[in-house]
Amino acid sequence: DAMVIQNPRYQVTQFGKPVTLSCSQTLNHNVMYWYQQKSSQAPKLLFHYYDKDFNNEADTPDNFQSRRPNTSFCFLDIRSPGLGDAAMYLCATSRGRTGANVLTFGAGSRLTVL
Amino acid sequence: GEDVEQSLFLSVREGDSSVINCTYTDSSSTYLYWYKQEPGAGLQLLTYIFSNMDMKQDQRLTVLLNKKDKHLSLRIADTQTGDSAIYFCAESIMDSNYQLIWGAGTKLIIKP
Repeated sequence: DAMVIQNPRYQVTQFGKPVTLSCSQTLNHNVMYWYQQKSSQAPKLLFHYYDKDFNNEADTPDNFQSRRPNTSFCFLDIRSPGLGDAAMYLCATSRGRTGANVLTFGAGSRLTVL
Repeated sequence: GEDVEQSLFLSVREGDSSVINCTYTDSSSTYLYWYKQEPGAGLQLLTYIFSNMDMKQDQRLTVLLNKKDKHLSLRIADTQTGDSAIYFCAESIMDSNYQLIWGAGTKLIIKP
């Protein structure tokens, strides 16, 4: 089945220790997104790629970086995680054509910062 | 700016209908969406409606859109325990650069 896969599902890191979360898709979608979701809150868009074009949200901290080496993969790097970065990180994809912008989400990576 | 609002909780008895409501502020909405999130999981698209429609039905789900009042609702008929989840309303607006505007989510609690 075509899908969006996130790894790892659970990540525990220490304060300040860099973390990389990965996302892969078999849908061949043009757009890939990274969202941060804290408990009982809406997902918050961090950035997205349309193909190789990177779009950073204005309020995304510099501590968060992303890479998309090819159509299928996208990475989220958190350079120096703080306690406030503990959250669920959701990767999503969409076709990016005109019409409904239907997102397909991965199962998420839950980050714990000690 | 754009805003999407939902009640945080809804409690219904198993077998009853659930109606989850959402209001939005941006009149240039093109599509409105309902996503479902089960505990510890990602979001799953349930349905969406184009802004020039007023109703869409898909099995147990009925979406009603009142564009004049900027009000969207999701009705789940014959609510089951498997419907327990958080339901997010979202809108896309013209020239939004693929960003969706999300509500905070409504947690649906099913009582036996």
